[in-house]
Amino acid sequence: NAGVMQNPRHLVRRRGQEARLRCSPMKGHSHVYWYRQLPEEGLKFMVYLQKENIIDESGMPKERFSAEFPKEGPSILRIQQVVRGDSAAYFCASSPQWAGGSEKLFFGSGTQLSVL
Amino acid sequence: AQTVTQSQPEMSVQEAETVTLSCTYDTSESDYYLFWYKQPPSRQMILVIRQEAYKQQNATENRFSVNFQKAAKSFSLKISDSQLGDAAMYFCAFQETSGSRLTFGEGTQLTVNP
Repeated sequence: NAGVMQNPRHLVRRRGQEARLRCSPMKGHSHVYWYRQLPEEGLKFMVYLQKENIIDESGMPKERFSAEFPKEGPSILRIQQVVRGDSAAYFCASSPQWAGGSEKLFFGSGTQLSVL
Repeated sequence: AQTVTQSQPEMSVQEAETVTLSCTYDTSESDYYLFWYKQPPSRQMILVIRQEAYKQQNATENRFSVNFQKAAKSFSLKISDSQLGDAAMYFCAFQETSGSRLTFGEGTQLTVNP
C-alpha cells in the first residue's frame, strides 16, 4: 500500500507563472489536508478537503490559491501568478476519515516550490 | 487561536545519552491532542508520539516519552539512549478535539554526536 504521493518533488517557476501541486492520498483515504512550510518555520495549515468538498479553507490565502479534490484523481493545489514569497515546501496529508486526534494521518514528502 | 512554542531552535546530544525537547502551547480548550513529529532531511513527517489531554498518564513509545504538564501547558519530549538516526527536526503540534487542523511549533533541530 503506497503512502501519500506528492509530485513533483521539486518545482521551479518564474514569477507570474502558475504552479500545480498534486497529491494522491493513500488508498482508501478520502480526506486530504494541505500544509505549507516556509524556510526555518513549522508547517502551517492551508486547507482541508474531502472528495468534491472543501471543508475548511481558513488557512488558504484569499487570492491566487485554490485547491480541489475531485471524485477521481489526485488533489490539486493551484497557485496562480506565483511570487517569490510562495517559495516553500507544500505538504499533503491524508486520512481515511476525519483525523481528529488520530494517528491515522499520513504525510507525503512534500513538494518544494522555488520561485525565481 | 492556539499557539505552539518551541523555545529551542537547536539541540545536540551525545549518542546513547538522553535529551529533552521543550514545547509549550496556549489554548482555552480543556480537551485536545498533542503530538511530536520528526522530520529528517528527506522531509517526510513521521509521527513520534501522541498524547490525549484528558489522560494524565504520560505517553511512551519505546525510547520516546513525554512529560505532559496540563496546568503549565507544557509538553516536552524525552529521547533516551539517543541514536544517530534520531537526528532530525522535531515539531510539536496541537489539535483541538473538535477540529481537524494541526498547529505546529517552529521546530527544534536535533543533532546527535557520535
